[in-house]
Amino acid sequence: AQSVAQPEDQVNVAEGNPLTVKCTYSVSGNPYLFWYVQYPNRGLQFLLKYITGDNLVKGSYGFEAEFNKSQTSFHLKKPSALVSDSALYFCAVSNDYKLSFGAGTTVTVRA
Amino acid sequence: DAGVTQSPTHLIKTRGQHVTLRCSPISGHKSVSWYQQVLGQGPQFIFQYYEKEERGRGNFPDRFSARQFPNYSSELNVNALLLGDSALYLCASSLLGQGSTEQYFGPGTRLTVT
Repeated sequence: AQSVAQPEDQVNVAEGNPLTVKCTYSVSGNPYLFWYVQYPNRGLQFLLKYITGDNLVKGSYGFEAEFNKSQTSFHLKKPSALVSDSALYFCAVSNDYKLSFGAGTTVTVRA
Repeated sequence: DAGVTQSPTHLIKTRGQHVTLRCSPISGHKSVSWYQQVLGQGPQFIFQYYEKEERGRGNFPDRFSARQFPNYSSELNVNALLLGDSALYLCASSLLGQGSTEQYFGPGTRLTVT
């Protein structure tokens, strides 16, 4: 079985401040971890993934994520948030062919 | 390049009816997956097809079925619709359908069952 948990339903930050969205995972074997973003009435957009190698993964739109095997975490980060980053963020895990998603975290960046 | 396309965009059906949703993957992608996203929740895996073969099925009743065509497009069929089937249905394509390969999502079909 595989699953992810996103402990925060909502994250609120001021524009220009660092943004962190938390995710922990559970999977047997080596995990493949992903972050997606969803804007209102839209499908999911791929941000980044961790497969193997460097624990710090860089992705689209200035986002990065840090893989921590001992804490089974894969937190999404952005050094300086923009108002346009306001959206719904999903963490997902896969070890075969399907993605298992968390419940999502709504990020609001205030001007 | 065109992304994943889905049709229709919106659909309203009555309980007990049947619905067919369609998906065209990104050119060159051989794998298509279907997900159901209920309001306020993350997407739930329904099916994956690779090279026209079903590779996996999620925890959904037999009322849900799918197929993939020789051009790699796909259909999701749902019979005997229930109110609880109201959701956003997402199609995703990937190059190889492996766990390490990212999936690219279409805009979804919003199904409302009344």
